[in-house]
Amino acid sequence: DIQMTQSPSTLSASVGDRVTITCRASQSISSWLAWYQQKPGKAPKLLIYKASSLESGVPSRFSGSGSGTEFTLTISSLQPDDFATYYCQQYNTYSLFGQGTKVEIK
Amino acid sequence: QVQLQQSGPGLVKPSQTLSLTCAISGDSVSSHSAAWNWIRQSPSRGLEWLGRTYYRSKWYNDYAVSVKSRITINPDTSKNQFSLQLNSVTPEDTAVYYCARDRQWELLYWGQGTLVTVSS
Repeated sequence: DIQMTQSPSTLSASVGDRVTITCRASQSISSWLAWYQQKPGKAPKLLIYKASSLESGVPSRFSGSGSGTEFTLTISSLQPDDFATYYCQQYNTYSLFGQGTKVEIK
Repeated sequence: QVQLQQSGPGLVKPSQTLSLTCAISGDSVSSHSAAWNWIRQSPSRGLEWLGRTYYRSKWYNDYAVSVKSRITINPDTSKNQFSLQLNSVTPEDTAVYYCARDRQWELLYWGQGTLVTVSS
C-alpha cells in the first residue's frame, strides 16, 4: 500500500513569509498529487493538481512541484487568509491523503 | 456550477448501518468524465477516502481497503444522486462525512459535510 508522509505537522509563520510543505510517497505516484487547503468547519478546497497545476481562481502565490515520490507546496508570501491546514492527496492508486500541516500565526 | 447537497442522520447506533445521500445539481451522476466520492474526517484518522462510483459505459466502484467489507456506494440515476452505506458501525466510524466530485481524480467539488456520531 502507498503511504503518504507530510511534514511538518505544524508550521508557525508570519505574514509575508515563504512557506514550504513537503509530502513524500512511499512509492512513485508520477505527478498524481493534489494539494488542498482546509479551514475550520469547511470542506477542503483544491489548490494544486497534477503536482504543479494551479487550480483556477487560486492565487499565484501558491505553487506546487515534484514528481515521483517527493512533492512540495510553496506559498511565496504568506497572507492572513492562508492560515489554515493543508493536505496532500495522491490519486495514482485510488486516493490517500497526507496527515495535514497546520499553518499557524507565529 | 456543480453543487452537492448531503443528507442523512447525524446519529447512528453501534452495529447499525450508516446511510448518507448526496444530491447533485449542475452535473449528472452518469457523467462519463466524473467520479462520485465519499470521504470522512476525524481527529484520529484525518482525511480518509472511502470510495467512489463512476460510469464509463458501465458502473464501477472502488473502495478503500479499510472499509471494503462494510461499504456500498450506489448511484441513483432517477434522482441524480449517490449514496453511502456503511454497515456494522462502531464509535471509530464517528466522523464528518463528505461527498465529492472529482475532475480527473482530484477532488474539485465537495458537499457541506455531515457529522455522524456513532453512539447508543
